[in-house]
Amino acid sequence: GQNIDQPTEMTATEGAIVQINCTYQTSGFNGLFWYQQHAGEAPTFLSYNVLDGLEEKGRFSSFLSRSKGYSYLLLKELQMKDSASYLCAVTVAGGSYIPTFGRGTSLIVHP
Amino acid sequence: GAGVSQTPSNKVTEKGKYVELRCDPISGHTALYWYRQSLGQGPEFLIYFQGTGAADDSGLPNDRFFAVRPEGSVSTLKIQRTERGDSAVYLCASSAGTGRYEQYFGPGTRLTVT
Repeated sequence: GQNIDQPTEMTATEGAIVQINCTYQTSGFNGLFWYQQHAGEAPTFLSYNVLDGLEEKGRFSSFLSRSKGYSYLLLKELQMKDSASYLCAVTVAGGSYIPTFGRGTSLIVHP
Repeated sequence: GAGVSQTPSNKVTEKGKYVELRCDPISGHTALYWYRQSLGQGPEFLIYFQGTGAADDSGLPNDRFFAVRPEGSVSTLKIQRTERGDSAVYLCASSAGTGRYEQYFGPGTRLTVT
C-alpha cells in the first residue's frame, strides 16, 4: 500500500507565501496529484507531477522529488479564498492508476 | 458543459435500511470512481469502472456494498443493511482516462445512518 503524510493544519497571512509538504512511501510510484477542497465542496484539480522539478501555474506551483518521496504545493500572494483543504494523492504504475489520497492539509488564511 | 452530478445531495436513513446513490458523470468520460470521505480525512477509494465493467473493486469494505454502471455512463452505488459507520460523504468522480488524467468530482451525497 501507500503511506502519505501531510500536515493536518497550517495558517498563513493574506498576501504571504505558504508551502504545503507531502511525503509518501510507495512502490511503483507513477505520479502525484494536488487537489483543493473547500469546506462542503468537491475536490478540484490543481496539478499533476510525474517528473522531478517545479511546475508553475499562476499563483500555484507544485514540486516533486521522486528519489526523496517528497512533493510540495507552493501558494503565492495568498487570498482569503485560498482557505481550504489541500489534498495530496499518489498513483502507482502497473494497476488502475487509482489515486490514493492523503488526509489533506487544512489551510487557514487570515487577514 | 455539465459537470458530474450526484443525487441525492443528502440522505438520512435508519440502520439496517437499503440505500442507492446515483452518479451522472461527464459525458464521454469512460472512467468512473466512487470514494467516501469522512470528516477530516481524504477521499477513500471504493470502486473504479472502465466503461461498464468494474475494473477494480478492491476498496469496497464488505459485501454490503455494490455498484453498477450498466450502460457505461450513470452509476449507482448500493448499500445494503446500512450501519452507522457507513455515515460519510460519498463522492463520485469521472475522468477521460486513467493515470495522468485529472478526476472531476461531483458534489457528493452526504449519507447519515441513524
